[in-house]
This record gives sequence, C-alpha cells and structure tokens, in this order.
Amino acid sequence: DVKVTQSSRYLVKRTGEKVFLECVQDMDHENMFWYRQDPGLGLRLIYFSYDVKMKEKGDIPEGYSVSREKKERFSLILESASTNQTSMYLCASSSRQFQAFFGQGTRLTVV
Amino acid sequence: AQTVTQSQPEMSVQEAETVTLSCTYDTSESDYYLFWYKQPPSRQMILVIRQEAYKQQNATENRFSVNFQKAAKSFSLKISDSQLGDAAMYFCAYRRRTGNQFYFGTGTSLTVIP
Repeated sequence: DVKVTQSSRYLVKRTGEKVFLECVQDMDHENMFWYRQDPGLGLRLIYFSYDVKMKEKGDIPEGYSVSREKKERFSLILESASTNQTSMYLCASSSRQFQAFFGQGTRLTVV
Repeated sequence: AQTVTQSQPEMSVQEAETVTLSCTYDTSESDYYLFWYKQPPSRQMILVIRQEAYKQQNATENRFSVNFQKAAKSFSLKISDSQLGDAAMYFCAYRRRTGNQFYFGTGTSLTVIP
C-alpha cells in the first residue's frame, strides 16, 4: 500500500512563528503536492513538485514556500504564520499517471 | 484553465437507497482522467473510483459507479445501497493525462440517514 505520512495531525502555533509541515511518501512518486482545505472552498493547490529541487506555484502560494531535497520528502514552510493560515493542510503524491494518494492531513491553528 | 464544478454542497440519502452526486468540468483536452475521492470525517482522503477519458465504458467499483458523459463534460457518481459508512465529503477531480496537476471541485457533503 502507498503511504503518505504527514508529520503532525494537529499543530498550534503563534502568529509570526516559522512553521514546517513535513510530508513523506514511500512509493517513489515523482510528483508531490501541498493543498489547503477550507470549508466551501474545496482543495486549493499551494505548491507542487515534479522532481527533486523542482517546484511550481499553485493557486495560493503567497505566504508559503516549499522544499524538496529528497524525492520522498516535501516540506511546506510558513515563513511567518498568520491567523488567516489557520486551516487543514493536505499533502499528496502521485506518479506521472493516475491518481494522487493523500496523507492524513495536518490541522494547523495559528493563534 | 481547467475547472471542476460540484453544484451540490450537501446531499442526504436514506440507508439502502441510491444517491447520485454531480460533477461537471471544463477542459479543451481530449485525453484525461477523472476521479471521485471520499473524505470521511477526520479521516484520510481515499480514491473511490477512476475514469479514463478514452474509455467509453463507465467505471464501476462494487456499489459505486459513474456516469461519464464526455461531450457534456459531466461525471456523476452513483452510490447504490447506501451505507452509514458512506457518509463523507466527496470530491470530484480532473487530471490531464500528460499533466502533473489535479483540479478539484469544492466537494459534496453526503449524509446517510439510518
């Protein structure tokens, strides 16, 4: 079974903190994604990566950055967390074909 | 740009009955994939069913089936013999065959009434 693991299920951070969300996949997938999920808005793509050290902006990259130093790991970084970044964050991976596989999600609260 | 529209934010169904969730999409491509994902409350998003656009036959997975109308750009999900465990958020998604990105709808929250 494909496994996509996110480092935390729940996270509470203070405004202005630098926040790291980690995601690891074990299927040698080329593509990895970070989505933000908010009620009524569905899944919005923040960034994706199609290879090591390669990244592309999604629909809502402002306030976020990413890092992919190894194929299996894709990190989302909130440089200075703000309350409007309180949300559910979903990591996913996929091969060049077919479906995406998702992690369990990280519910981030910024206070 | 590709867009995926789910026009039913909420749906409900009686246990053992059948329900159909709607999805439409916009694309100029001819070769692509369509997906339905299920996200139970506080649980991981999982794939329910996948359709490849070049296949005319509608995909089926046990109680789940799709009605794929390529010309109409419609991709609805039918759940037969609904069970309590089917209660979840359902997302429709699109991916170009040669692309990396997935495009998701805003989701339909399905309630199953005992």
